[in-house]
Amino acid sequence: GDSVTQMEGPVTLSEEAFLTINCTYTATGYPSLFWYVQYPGEGLQLLLKATKADDKGSNKGFEATYRKETTSFHLEKGSVQVSDSAVYFCALRGYGGATNKLIFGTGTLLAVQP
Amino acid sequence: GAGVSQSPRYKVAKRGQDVALRCDPISGHVSLFWYQQALGQGPEFLTYFQNEAQLDKSGLPSDRFFAERPEGSVSTLKIQRTQQEDSAVYLCASSLANGNYNEQFFGPGTRLTVL
Repeated sequence: GDSVTQMEGPVTLSEEAFLTINCTYTATGYPSLFWYVQYPGEGLQLLLKATKADDKGSNKGFEATYRKETTSFHLEKGSVQVSDSAVYFCALRGYGGATNKLIFGTGTLLAVQP
Repeated sequence: GAGVSQSPRYKVAKRGQDVALRCDPISGHVSLFWYQQALGQGPEFLTYFQNEAQLDKSGLPSDRFFAERPEGSVSTLKIQRTQQEDSAVYLCASSLANGNYNEQFFGPGTRLTVL
């Protein structure tokens, strides 16, 4: 079945450092790909998405490119801030299914230190 | 406007008790999803409603789990005879429709602890 694998955390960075969180997926057809973020004490929020190969999703300085050839959707940010500290989840949604349920990775905790 | 709300936010149950978790989706949202998030894990799909119809319940872990959405709005997830392995955060999400391009909006979750 469809699945998502993302790098384990925690990832600890200093402010203004470059961030990469790796995500790879296994799916049939043409899934849509997502990054969700969960700030401390808050619910899951959509950070960015890409719905077809070579699409780049971006938001709040974060970017991820849908790479079908490597089945990857790595999250990047050029300069992280303390306020980016959160848990980040990579997810996919299969194309054409009746449910459109999301399949999540296990999450990566990011801690940014001042 | 108001987002997805869930109640209670926290629930402690003794093993064997029945619990009911409520989800109020965003007004007008047709699709409603329930997910279970164990500690340190990503959310896992439980069940899906389109209006009042439960179209997919493939993720429900056992017949102790039951969900309903009788009027196509509020949904309740019921767990009978709770077990310790049911301890998790239960997330509800809604979306405007069931198309591939409709974002799922998540509620804050209900943290269930079974003693």
